[in-house]
Amino acid sequence: NAGVTQTPKFQVLKTGQSMTLQCAQDMNHNSMYWYRQDPGMGLRLIYYSASEGTTDKGEVPNGYNVSRLNKREFSLRLESAAPSQTSVYFCASSRTSGDTQYFGPGTRLTVL
Amino acid sequence: EDKVVQSPLSLVVHEGDTVTLNCSYEVTNFRSLLWYKQEKKAPTFLFMLTSSGIEKKSGRLSSILDKKELFSILNITATQTGDSAIYLCAVMGGSNYKLTFGKGTLLTVNP
Repeated sequence: NAGVTQTPKFQVLKTGQSMTLQCAQDMNHNSMYWYRQDPGMGLRLIYYSASEGTTDKGEVPNGYNVSRLNKREFSLRLESAAPSQTSVYFCASSRTSGDTQYFGPGTRLTVL
Repeated sequence: EDKVVQSPLSLVVHEGDTVTLNCSYEVTNFRSLLWYKQEKKAPTFLFMLTSSGIEKKSGRLSSILDKKELFSILNITATQTGDSAIYLCAVMGGSNYKLTFGKGTLLTVNP
């Protein structure tokens, strides 16, 4: 039982490049989330998926897209990376929207 | 706009000390308050609090919620160097159960 897994662990991009961050959970959770964490800013919600087949914007969605591929997987895509998107990205999941969220190990992304 | 404020932002103590971390909040349609511990990687869950005045306890850690005064405290007794971490407070609220995080308290426990 791995919990929440994320790939890759680290990534360096050049401005304008695209990439997809992958997240999977094996806890049979219905809800999944993407956060970014920046120094002095705390964790901020980018997008979330309350259940399979639904996605909604969080606090900071601009420059990102998401796909809830199936119940297990929730990916985050940067279409044209910008230096302002340099951050640590965390995926989380919960049994339902109102339950405790469990976090993956994070992806450290640097955009040059 | 929902707001979570943690204090202090950082704290340095010696092993064996007792610490109290604070979290105050303003949130629409409060549902629960959560505490997480973050070491080098992912935040790990500590407590979820939904009712006022009921202490939750796990070993040397305990937490309590005051829904009237809109705050929570996290206590750590007999601190150890392994308690060194960032402690995050988050409040769940709104119609979509959104989690709003505070900026965290960086706790350093020196031997």
